[in-house]
Amino acid sequence: ETGVTQTPRHLVMGMTNKKSLKCEQHLGHNAMYWYKQSAKKPLELMFVYNFKEQTENNSVPSRFSPECPNSSHLFLHLHTLQPEDSALYLCASSLDTFSNQPQHFGDGTRLSIL
Amino acid sequence: QKEVEQNSGPLSVPEGAIASLNCTYSDRGSQSFFWYRQYSGKSPELIMFIYSNGDKEDGRFTAQLNKASQYVSLLIRDSQPSDSATYLCAVTRRKLIFGQGTELSVKP
Repeated sequence: ETGVTQTPRHLVMGMTNKKSLKCEQHLGHNAMYWYKQSAKKPLELMFVYNFKEQTENNSVPSRFSPECPNSSHLFLHLHTLQPEDSALYLCASSLDTFSNQPQHFGDGTRLSIL
Repeated sequence: QKEVEQNSGPLSVPEGAIASLNCTYSDRGSQSFFWYRQYSGKSPELIMFIYSNGDKEDGRFTAQLNKASQYVSLLIRDSQPSDSATYLCAVTRRKLIFGQGTELSVKP
């Protein structure tokens, strides 16, 4: 399997639930990213990891908690989300964060908060 | 001023015409420039990148970069209905910044 894989593709959850999004990349990259894309809005960078270390948290609410156990895997743990958190959540990877190489995206998780 | 600006469109062109998509950026130290295509409900797909001033061609796509004017464009020749999508400009120096995207509609 190649590229960037995200699971699940769709997720519906209540505001009191706890769930996790998973991202896995098979490109040998060292940097991984979480983005949020709401309808008709630009991509919003949420978190950046480089060589498993978090290098950026773009003022994301604490109800979103990232985890990067190794350079190939990235998780986004969700708890007590709000309806405005409904969006497409995209994972991306790149060689690293300093060589200006392009990012490659997964297919995303479509999240709906009831 | 937004860091990366694009006209949101929609830009409508007839099939077979040239579609011209434009992007300006504010950080004069930006080093790498990317164009992504995003179909509705899908993830962004990298279609072109350019690092140096001038033109770079790949099939029907040409990226143009003018660092003095802080301007990057994407030309799509012989536009096809399948090119209808949102095109995202992205610029990087220390991190990748995306524009809001331009919606392109190619009419048969």
